[in-house]
Amino acid sequence: GAVVSQHPSWVICKSGTSVKIECRSLDFQATTMFWYRQFPKQSLMLMATSNEGSKATYEQGVEKDKFLINHASLTLSTLTVTSAHPEDSSFYICSARPWDRQISVAFFGQGTRLTVV
Amino acid sequence: DAKTTQPPSMDCAEGRAANLPCNHSTISGNEYVYWYRQIHSQGPQYIIHGLKNNETNEMASLIITEDRKSSTLILPHATLRDTAVYYCIVRVGGSQGNLIFGKGTKLSVKP
Repeated sequence: GAVVSQHPSWVICKSGTSVKIECRSLDFQATTMFWYRQFPKQSLMLMATSNEGSKATYEQGVEKDKFLINHASLTLSTLTVTSAHPEDSSFYICSARPWDRQISVAFFGQGTRLTVV
Repeated sequence: DAKTTQPPSMDCAEGRAANLPCNHSTISGNEYVYWYRQIHSQGPQYIIHGLKNNETNEMASLIITEDRKSSTLILPHATLRDTAVYYCIVRVGGSQGNLIFGKGTKLSVKP
């Protein structure tokens, strides 16, 4: 299967600071990537869809000014959590689908554990 | 997208086959059945998908009923490393791939 890599795997930051998470598709190109958030003992919740070369689309209830998404190339999307607060502590996961395949099998990164103190 | 229903948890003995059911009674003709699993503190891992025919790969087999209203994921010889939450998702095959996750089935493989 295709490989999606996230960096960092975990990060601890102080309240009020910003944190950037990278998502890379290592062996395929993806015009669209997806960002999810997962709280303990809950399922994954889709936050936003990242579109290469254009603005991201956010799910209802997700603040676009707080979760900045940039998809500058066909292999890289970044999520920046701005002015992080303890309630933003969560497991953030990205996924990507190879653009050149007819059937959309999405591949996921290993996730980033964010802890805001 | 069609809604899916899975049992919240299942146990399986190591070495035995694990059969994980999924109901998707409102599935439409162009929707595929996807299975992913999530091992604790990792991102979801793709397992298998199918439209109407049974499918098999190196990880698992997918059995879809003739009316397509339900399916079963089969892990033929479960190991302790197969302990995970398994998600059954129904989605149009050519769509962008923003998968909507339900609560899944927590499979516990026991020695």
